[in-house]
Amino acid sequence: GNSVTQMEGPVTLSEEAFLTINCTYTATGYPSLFWYVQYPGEGLQLLLKATKADDKGSNKGFEATYRKETTSFHLEKGSVQVSDSAVYFCALSDGDNFNKFYFGSGTKLNVKP
Amino acid sequence: DGGITQSPKYLFRKEGQNVTLSCEQNLNHDAMYWYRQDPGQGLRLIYYSQIVNDFQKGDIAEGYSVSREKKESFPLTVTSAQKNPTAFYLCASSQGAPSPLHFGNGTRLTVT
Repeated sequence: GNSVTQMEGPVTLSEEAFLTINCTYTATGYPSLFWYVQYPGEGLQLLLKATKADDKGSNKGFEATYRKETTSFHLEKGSVQVSDSAVYFCALSDGDNFNKFYFGSGTKLNVKP
Repeated sequence: DGGITQSPKYLFRKEGQNVTLSCEQNLNHDAMYWYRQDPGQGLRLIYYSQIVNDFQKGDIAEGYSVSREKKESFPLTVTSAQKNPTAFYLCASSQGAPSPLHFGNGTRLTVT
């Protein structure tokens, strides 16, 4: 079956620190991979995506590379800001099962000034 | 601007009452979804619809019902059969794999 596993939080960092949030997946087909961000009381916003192996998604200083050999899609940012404090979700869409999406449990990031 | 509108943002109901959450999209997407999110938890799929007049149960459909009479609308009814309805409900849409999901801003339902 399909599933997404991401590191448990909360993750607490100081401003300008390096961020990594780990995400691994299992999939039966050829999934697309996504990172979403959720601010308190809001819906999820797409942060970045990658649709095939070795693709790198990037947005607002965040990056993630689709690694088929390690079934991973780790989120990284070189220098976090207080405004990056939010919950981050890793997700995949199942290419074999039209429009079925699977989400990780979310990782809360706290950035301190 | 195109997007997904969920209303209301906050909803309060007494136990035993049915309640309907609204979701409207103007993105011309075929697929629409309802997710439930509990505090500190991930998202759980309630129902999804790939096309008008068709929908499928997700992982936690018991106690919920939906309709898809128009492409742009996918209302969710939380019935009195849902044992623990208090949660944050998110509606989403997609134009088809490999496109991502687009989310509304959610409705927080409190049942007392």
